[in-house]
Amino acid sequence: AQSVTQPDIHITVSEGASLELRCNYSYGATPYLFWYVQSPGQGLQLLLKYFSGDTLVQGIKGFEAEFKRSQSSFNLRKPSVHWSDAAEYFCAVGAGNNNDMRFGAGTRLTVKP
Amino acid sequence: DTAVSQTPKYLVTQMGNDKSIKCEQNLGHDTMYWYKQDSKKFLKIMFSYNNKELIINETVPNRFSPKSPDKAHLNLHINSLELGDSAVYFCASSQRRQGTSEAFFGQGTRLTVV
Repeated sequence: AQSVTQPDIHITVSEGASLELRCNYSYGATPYLFWYVQSPGQGLQLLLKYFSGDTLVQGIKGFEAEFKRSQSSFNLRKPSVHWSDAAEYFCAVGAGNNNDMRFGAGTRLTVKP
Repeated sequence: DTAVSQTPKYLVTQMGNDKSIKCEQNLGHDTMYWYKQDSKKFLKIMFSYNNKELIINETVPNRFSPKSPDKAHLNLHINSLELGDSAVYFCASSQRRQGTSEAFFGQGTRLTVV
């Protein structure tokens, strides 16, 4: 079965600084990869997804992610973080045709003023 | 119009009780899920239904029973609630196609067992 590792439990960045959140997946075939964001007390919102094609994908709120098959990674980036980006971020991997989506443990982002 | 809606949003109940959480989606999706998020924010899939058919059933105590009366609804019934059942339960839906498509999540139901 597929699995996801998010090595960083908590990251703190200053407002305006760049951000990179790491995600590594394990799956034997081509994965379907997702990044979700969860604000406090809210559900999960999809930021972006990768199915195939261009390995650099653009998402909402100025986020992007790059799929690197050789490193089994799908890291999330943003060039300039805003205070409103403070939230929990989840990487997920889907496999097969049964819509079985597995999530990483999440990375909590704190933004310093 | 809320795409995936769950009720109730908060549920406080005593150990041993039976409770249900309801979920409805108006996206026309054919697949619905229940996820459990524990206190450390870890999200674990519990069940998945496609066209009212159970397709994913993770190792979940049989006190948890999902019911899908139609494609737009997936309810979760929990018998004999235990303290360890306290968590946030998320319903989600997606449209099944080749590969895995993105899931749309409800706002969650925070269950507290006392």
